[in-house]
Amino acid sequence: SQQGEEDPQALSIQEGENATMNCSYKTSINNLQWYRQNSGRGLVHLILIRSNEREKHSGRLRVTLDTSKKSSSLLITASRAADTASYFCAIETGANNLFFGTGTRLTVIP
Amino acid sequence: GAGVSQSPSNKVTEKGKDVELRCDPISGHTALYWYRQSLGQGLEFLIYFQGNSAPDKSGLPSDRFSAERTGGSVSTLTIQRTQQEDSAVYLCASSLGQGGGQGTQYFGPGTRLTVL
Repeated sequence: SQQGEEDPQALSIQEGENATMNCSYKTSINNLQWYRQNSGRGLVHLILIRSNEREKHSGRLRVTLDTSKKSSSLLITASRAADTASYFCAIETGANNLFFGTGTRLTVIP
Repeated sequence: GAGVSQSPSNKVTEKGKDVELRCDPISGHTALYWYRQSLGQGLEFLIYFQGNSAPDKSGLPSDRFSAERTGGSVSTLTIQRTQQEDSAVYLCASSLGQGGGQGTQYFGPGTRLTVL
């Protein structure tokens, strides 16, 4: 399978704590992207990291990529109740398609 | 509009009926994608359109599924003789379509299809 696989499947934390989600994949990639989904509807693009990048930041988000281990992590710092959502990693291969994992369900408890 | 729109937002149909789902991509985006998401699952790729090239239909689960993209813009996903296992949220996305890092996809809100 070319898709990314997220770990853990579900994560529950207290507001203010950091949340870390991991993604592993099996093929060569052009880039890896993280998306967020609320209430099972449309996905929102969060951040894209290219295969030649190792770390990227966007606001409270920090993404790392280790191509030797074929893995990525998404860190959300100082979590808020509004961060409660499902988070998906997606890998872009040369096919111009994105292959999505099954997601991590994050619950932030106020 | 500014984003990807899909219609209808919800569709309930009887087993055996045909349904059409519509997607309006972001203006100027040459790539358009359809995905299916079953309850609690990840996204399953269905079909991909890029400009005037032949679509990548490799993800369509059966010949009951087809899609068109007219004039390089609006797309319609058609499911014939619907089955209960077709029940899912159908998501459409568009992108600039260049790949290589320009492949960020912008998603519509989805159509929730329920087959009774």
